[in-house]
This record gives sequence, C-alpha cells and structure tokens, in this order.
Amino acid sequence: QSVLTQTPSVSAAPGQKVTISCSGSDFNIGKNYVSWYQQFPGTAPKLIIHDNDKRPSGIPDRFSGSKSGTSATLGITGLQTGDEADYYCATWDNSLSAGVFGGGTKLTVL
Amino acid sequence: QITLKESGPTLVNPTQTLTLTCTFSGFSLDSGGMGVVWVRQPPGKALEWLALIYWDDDKRYSPSLKTRLTITKDTSKNQVVLTMANMDPEDTARYYCARRGSVNWYDPWGQGILVTVSS
Repeated sequence: QSVLTQTPSVSAAPGQKVTISCSGSDFNIGKNYVSWYQQFPGTAPKLIIHDNDKRPSGIPDRFSGSKSGTSATLGITGLQTGDEADYYCATWDNSLSAGVFGGGTKLTVL
Repeated sequence: QITLKESGPTLVNPTQTLTLTCTFSGFSLDSGGMGVVWVRQPPGKALEWLALIYWDDDKRYSPSLKTRLTITKDTSKNQVVLTMANMDPEDTARYYCARRGSVNWYDPWGQGILVTVSS
C-alpha cells in the first residue's frame, strides 16, 4: 500500500490529452515538491517533472505538472504511442522523514 | 555527463546480508545539496524508496526497512553502499540508485541490478 495514491491505469487515443493524478496528505504533497517519472518496461525510471511543474531539459512541453493542496497531476497532451509507459509520482514525507512513491499508473495509448 | 551504476550479487540466500554498491561519475557527493538514493522495484510492482545519503553524511531510511538497512558513502571512490540484512524472498527486486537533486527529485538513475533471493 503506497503512501501516495495513483489510479492504476488510464487510456486514451493518440492525439488526445490525459491526466494522471497523485493523491497524498498534508505530511507529503501538501508540504513538499512533487516529481514525476516515466518508466518503460525493462528500463530505469526517467525524471519528467520536478518541483511540481518544471520540465528537465529534453522533456517535451507536451508533459506538464501541477499541484493543488494534497494532490498533484501529470498532464500529457498530443498523446503518442511512444508515451505508453508506467508513470510514478514521488515526494518527501515529513512524518516518515523519507521519500515516498505512488503506486504507479499504466498509460495505454489505444 | 552524470552516470550511476549498481553492482553486487544477483543471487543471495535467505537470511544473508545483501551488499550493493552504486558507483557514480559526473558529480561530487561533497557538493552541498547532493545525495544518492536507493529505490527498489519487485517484478511487476511499484517503485519503493529505500534510503538516502546526503553530502553531509546525514542519512534517511524507509521506516518499514530501517532496522535492516545501512547506507554509507566513500567520497574518494565516488561510491555509495547499501546493505540490507536478513534477506527474504520477498526482497527479490531490481535495485536502483539515483542522484538526488536539490529538492528531492531523482535524476539520473542507474540501470538497476536484479537481485533474487532464493536458496
């Protein structure tokens, strides 16, 4: 059972937009920055959003992040089949004094 | 270019202690704000945060695994070592190390090492 809650799976058609949510508490998302990771099967996770809404160099602006209260959202526009992957949110938890990840969301581009 | 690579045994017996080494380049763990984190992922399951060591040798552990984990660093060798005691088949997972960014984001990641716990 992950500290951060993510919908297990989402799907959308190519070209469409999808949002992936990450729900936490005042101990974690409510007080700390959120980051997002993209993971393809058999590969290491890759940072795609940090500090709630910042994209590292090389990440397309089709990817966006936001945070409100104790929830965060990853948005992907102009979906491509190459976006099919697992997406994880992460943050720090002040009560645990440790990092935490969400349970992951599998994105299917139909 | 920043790179990290995990090394260690790929098969351990139950009850044994696992020792994994993360060897990195392209940054210094002496620099303020820097850190290295360990994360694991059982086959088909989610990422699990394990431990973090900061540039100043401060350490943080997952509360659920704290009694079994030890993280250390050797700045001269650009290495971070994670030990996990009393291994169990449920600890079978791919273990990753990653650089911790300034506000608890992790980038880049090593390729990971698959550790199987079995007799």
